[in-house]
Amino acid sequence: EVKLEESGGDLVQPGGSLRLTCTCAGSGCTFNSYEMNWVRQAPGKGLEWVSHISKSGAVTNYADSVKGRFTISRDNAKNSLYLRMNSLGGEDTAIYYCASSRPAGGAMDYWGQGTLVTVSS
Amino acid sequence: QAVVTQEPSLTVSPGGTVTLTCGSSTGAVTSGHFPYWFQQKPGQAPRTLIYDISNKHSWTPARFSGSLLGGKAALTLSGAQPEDEAEYYCLLSYGGPYVFGAGTKVTVL
Repeated sequence: EVKLEESGGDLVQPGGSLRLTCTCAGSGCTFNSYEMNWVRQAPGKGLEWVSHISKSGAVTNYADSVKGRFTISRDNAKNSLYLRMNSLGGEDTAIYYCASSRPAGGAMDYWGQGTLVTVSS
Repeated sequence: QAVVTQEPSLTVSPGGTVTLTCGSSTGAVTSGHFPYWFQQKPGQAPRTLIYDISNKHSWTPARFSGSLLGGKAALTLSGAQPEDEAEYYCLLSYGGPYVFGAGTKVTVL
């Protein structure tokens, strides 16, 4: 089974930056065969797709709300996914989840437990 | 950006059946939207129930099923259990971006 673990969430001031990491662990992980996504959930709100990256990292997509501020990347040798977040504002306060596809394809089949990002002065 | 619509809330009796739907502002939902359904309970991460309209994961209870119904994706819960009380989200693919619905709060009462 795929085990995903996010880290890097923190309290950051408005205008600040942060990098989140998602690591795939366990014997069931074949990281370079998964499409990967970041999804966030503001307090008391629904799920919001943030960004996607293809298996090789060659293709990336972003929600309009984060385009130009966030950058998704991955290091398949380290079984790791990243989200670099710049120019953070209060609207970015949320739990950030990473989610992977199945090896055969798909979108968001396996989920981590999330990491909390709080943007506040 | 497309808008994905879901019922805000539904109530089902224990043992009863309820159908949740997922529509798209761009038109009919098709297999090309690769509809997903997720369950989320308070304080927990989402859990994937259904992918690509109707496919189940190994952990998906048999009482959940997915389909296309009247131009929408649908999730049917047959034989509702108290533990099925949760928020349910659908997800549609738009050939690059993904869009979640706002969620349906299902109460088993």
